[in-house]
Amino acid sequence: GENVEQHPSTLSVQEGDSAVIKCTYSDSASNYFPWYKQELGKGPQLIIDIRSNVGEKKDQRIAVTLNKTAKHFSLHITETQPEDSAVYFCAASPTSGTYKYIFGTGTRLKVLA
Amino acid sequence: GAVVSQHPSRVICKSGTSVKIECRSLDFQATTMFWYRQFPKQSLMLMATSNEGSKATYEQGVEKDKFLINHASLTLSTLTVTSAHPEDSSFYICSPTGDTQYFGPGTRLTVL
Repeated sequence: GENVEQHPSTLSVQEGDSAVIKCTYSDSASNYFPWYKQELGKGPQLIIDIRSNVGEKKDQRIAVTLNKTAKHFSLHITETQPEDSAVYFCAASPTSGTYKYIFGTGTRLKVLA
Repeated sequence: GAVVSQHPSRVICKSGTSVKIECRSLDFQATTMFWYRQFPKQSLMLMATSNEGSKATYEQGVEKDKFLINHASLTLSTLTVTSAHPEDSSFYICSPTGDTQYFGPGTRLTVL
């Protein structure tokens, strides 16, 4: 079955710097890759997603890139702010048309003011 | 995004009691409901999938008689943890899904 690895597990950056979180997946049939932000004591919130027919997607300070050949995708946050501090999860959808996501292990991002 | 509520947000119970968690999708119809469990500093683990009006499908290792799921309508699903034990203490998150998957705010269960 699908396996998603996520690195790093923790990441500290200075406010204003960029943060990059990387994920790899194993199932070449996966075609949808969402990223979630989870604040303490809350459920995950979708922040950006990408489909397998696209290589990059941007939304203001957040971008996601996908390399299908290498089976990895990355989250890029630019001009980080303290409110970006949270746990970020990547996920992969292993079967077309379903929402049965496989989640990465999470990255705890801390933005230092 | 859609509005999803979970109730209660926190619950503390004694070992051996049953706890019911409600998940409501307030402004859309969820044809599918996923229930996840998340232990501290860990990722989300899918427990079960249910379609409205059908029996839930449980992931391997999840006891269906212990975690009772009801998805009676397109806007309400419940998860009942029966005869709860301390090892069931966790953060339970529902995920109502229609055209898009959403997540509830979670319920923190602590079993003493």
